[in-house]
Amino acid sequence: LAKTTQPISMDSYEGQEVNITCSHNNIATNDYITWYQQFPSQGPRFIIQGYKTKVTNEVASLFIPADRKSSTLSLPRVSLSDTAVYYCLVGDVDAGNMLTFGGGTRLMVKP
Amino acid sequence: DSGVTQTPKHLITATGQRVTLRCSPRSGDLSVYWYQQSLDQGLQFLIQYYNGEERAKGNILERFSAQQFPDLHSELNLSSLELGDSALYFCASSGDRNLYNEQFFGPGTRLTVL
Repeated sequence: LAKTTQPISMDSYEGQEVNITCSHNNIATNDYITWYQQFPSQGPRFIIQGYKTKVTNEVASLFIPADRKSSTLSLPRVSLSDTAVYYCLVGDVDAGNMLTFGGGTRLMVKP
Repeated sequence: DSGVTQTPKHLITATGQRVTLRCSPRSGDLSVYWYQQSLDQGLQFLIQYYNGEERAKGNILERFSAQQFPDLHSELNLSSLELGDSALYFCASSGDRNLYNEQFFGPGTRLTVL
């Protein structure tokens, strides 16, 4: 099965830009790439979604190269409250286009 | 608050038993999704229902089953429970049948199998 992989953890400081990359080398052709944020003891929360190139909303940007084999979530000027686990979600072709989460990246923002 | 409710919040049971987890989607949402989150397996998609019909299946075990009722609430039934079924179970909802639309997650049910 194709794997959806993310770095396990990242550290940053307040005010910095954070980029988290997810590798998904065989995603469904017509499906979106979605990122979620999860705080302890809570359900995941939608951050951003895109199909190709770049998408920006009020909290993040998502960069997707033409081959769509990866995507990068960019969080501008992080604060302590951005400390959370971030997941990418794609459709995995090798698993019959089944929804597949990456392993999650634990972001720690330090003062 | 996502608008998705799940009951119970916590559930402790023994191996071999059967439990039912309940989910009420956001008002107006027709799709319900179930996920399992455990330390070793991460977040895994189990199943999606749309307006009462099964729409997509993920890594759902044969011991597990789900349904969505006419009032759109959903139940996940877990039977012949094993220690490895201990996990957080999340329900999510969305407005239509597309698997990739924004999903709104509930607070989860923490299942402990002893």
